[in-house]
Amino acid sequence: KNEVEQSPQNLTAQEGEFITINCSYSVGISALHWLQQHPGGGIVSLFMLSSGKKKHGRLIATINIQEKHSSLHITASHPRDSAVYICATKSGSRLTFGEGTQLTVNP
Amino acid sequence: DAGVTQSPTHLIKTRGQQVTLRCSPISGHKSVSWYQQVLGQGPQFIFQYYEKEERGRGNFPDRFSARQFPNYSSELNVNALLLGDSALYLCASSLGPSGAYEQYFGPGTRLTVT
Repeated sequence: KNEVEQSPQNLTAQEGEFITINCSYSVGISALHWLQQHPGGGIVSLFMLSSGKKKHGRLIATINIQEKHSSLHITASHPRDSAVYICATKSGSRLTFGEGTQLTVNP
Repeated sequence: DAGVTQSPTHLIKTRGQQVTLRCSPISGHKSVSWYQQVLGQGPQFIFQYYEKEERGRGNFPDRFSARQFPNYSSELNVNALLLGDSALYLCASSLGPSGAYEQYFGPGTRLTVT
C-alpha cells in the first residue's frame, strides 16, 4: 500500500470548472509537494507547503497536518491545465510520491 | 538561469548492459536526488546525495549506484540492465537535503531496455 494516496486517479472537466484533487498520507512529514507533469515527462513544482494554504494564480493548495490530508484546487480551469498532478510527501531525505491524477480539461 | 539538466534525453540499451545517466543541478544547489518513474506510476526515490555523500537510498538493488562530483553534478549507474529498468529517470536538485528545501526537477532521461 502506497503511503501517499491520491484521488481521483482520472478527472475530466469542462473549461471553467472548479477542480479539486485530494491527497492523503499515512506518516509524519516535514513538507508536502504538489507537482505537475506534462506528456514527455518534465515535472514542475507547483507548491511546497507544511501548513495552511498557498495560492498562486488560479491554483490553491491546502494542507491539514492533523488529518494528514492535502488538496489542490484549480479555479476557472483551462485546457492548458491538462496534465498529471502528483502529490509527494517529504520525510527525511526522500520524497514519496502518489500515483498521480490525470486531469483533462475539455474546451 | 539554467535549470536542472540531464543527459542523455533518450537511451536504448540491451538486457545485461550497463548505463550511466548524468545530471547537472541548478547553480548553487548542493543536493541531488534520483527517481525512477515507470510508465503509469508515480516516481520512486532511488538516491539522494549532498556534499558528495549519500544521504538516502530507496528500495533498489545494488545494481543501482550513484555518485556526486565536486561540482555537485551527479551520475546514476545501472548495471546488468533488466527489462523492468525501462523507465523515466528523473533528477532533482535542491539547496540542501532536508524537507525545508524545494526540489527542482530535470526533464528526465527515458531509458528503454530491449
